[in-house]
Amino acid sequence: AQSVTQLGSHVSVSEGALVLLRCNYSSSVPPYLFWYVQYPNQGLQLLLKYTTGATLVKGINGFEAEFKKSETSFHLTKPSAHMSDAAEYFCAVTSNSGGYQKVTFGTGTKLQVIP
Amino acid sequence: EPEVTQTPSHQVTQMGQEVILRCVPISNHLYFYWYRQILGQKVEFLVSFYNNEISEKSEIFDDQFSVERPDGSNFTLKIRSTKLEDSAMYFCASSAERAETQYFGPGTRLLVL
Repeated sequence: AQSVTQLGSHVSVSEGALVLLRCNYSSSVPPYLFWYVQYPNQGLQLLLKYTTGATLVKGINGFEAEFKKSETSFHLTKPSAHMSDAAEYFCAVTSNSGGYQKVTFGTGTKLQVIP
Repeated sequence: EPEVTQTPSHQVTQMGQEVILRCVPISNHLYFYWYRQILGQKVEFLVSFYNNEISEKSEIFDDQFSVERPDGSNFTLKIRSTKLEDSAMYFCASSAERAETQYFGPGTRLLVL
């Protein structure tokens, strides 16, 4: 089975401050990990993904995430928040092993950026 | 850039009515999915579809739900007799290979009255 835990359903940061959104996963097989962003009344947009190889992955809009197997974490960061980053962010997991096809999502973290 | 499209964007229906939600996946993708997101809750997997058959489904996907690929481009989700609790945003997704990145459509917001 696979699961994702996102710590903090709401996170507020000041414009220009560091963004850190936390994600921990559980998987019995090597995971593929994703971060999706959802702007109000819109669909899910892929920010970045980790499958294999380099554990630090860079995505769109200046976001990056680091896969840490020892900590079962895949935290999302951005050095300097922008007003346009205000959205809901979902961490997700799937795998190329064990017959998994579905993506399992976390409960989401709403990011508020304060001017 | 190719994208997944969904129609309609919004649908309001009466309880007990049938609804069909439509999706056009990315053209060279082989795997298709439906997810739903009840307001304020997380995105939940419903079903995956490959080679004209369901390959995986969740416990949510009961006999009231069905999926079909009626032609080479469309992928549909049918709810036979809608219930109030079916009100949600329904997302279609597609991927080129199993476990490859799933690209999501903009969603159909379904409201059952």
